[in-house]
Amino acid sequence: DAMVIQNPRYQVTQFGKPVTLSCSQTLNHNVMYWYQQKSSQAPKLLFHYYDKDFNNEADTPDNFQSRRPNTSFCFLDIRSPGLGDAAMYLCATSRDGTGKETQYFGPGTRLLVL
Amino acid sequence: KQEVTQIPAALSVPEGENLVLNCSFTDSAIYNLQWFRQDPGKGLTSLLLIQSSQREQTSGRLNASLDKSSGRSTLYIAASQPGDSATYLCARPGYFGTGTSLTVIP
Repeated sequence: DAMVIQNPRYQVTQFGKPVTLSCSQTLNHNVMYWYQQKSSQAPKLLFHYYDKDFNNEADTPDNFQSRRPNTSFCFLDIRSPGLGDAAMYLCATSRDGTGKETQYFGPGTRLLVL
Repeated sequence: KQEVTQIPAALSVPEGENLVLNCSFTDSAIYNLQWFRQDPGKGLTSLLLIQSSQREQTSGRLNASLDKSSGRSTLYIAASQPGDSATYLCARPGYFGTGTSLTVIP
């Protein structure tokens, strides 16, 4: 089945130790999104790629970076994780980013920072 | 900036009851509205997508409506079941509401 896959499902890292979260999709969608969701809060958009074009939200901290080496894969890099970065990280895709189509979400990666 | 608000934040109903979840948004531009379900500790499952040109969508026991003029959407769940217990989120592209936590009591 076509889907959005996130690895790992759970990630434990140490304070200040760089960590990378992975997302892949078999839908061949042009747009890939990364959201951060803290406990009991709404998902918050960090950034998205339209094809190779990177679009950062204005209030996304510089500590968060992203890479999209090809259509299928997108990575979220947290350069120096702090305790406040512990959250669920959700990857999503959509076909063309017009705002008129469905977003498909992966199962999420729960990040714990020790 | 788009703001999406959901009321109530939590709802508890007995099994079999029909219920309505509310979503309001500040930007009535030509974007769709999507309803999601999220189980504890899990990712998001898309339930319904209403295109900006549509007024409602139905899937099984779920019916979602969209009124752009008032900036509101509702999710109607008929004959609720304990398996419907979850958090329900509405979203415009890139912007989510804080969700309604639904508990259906057997």
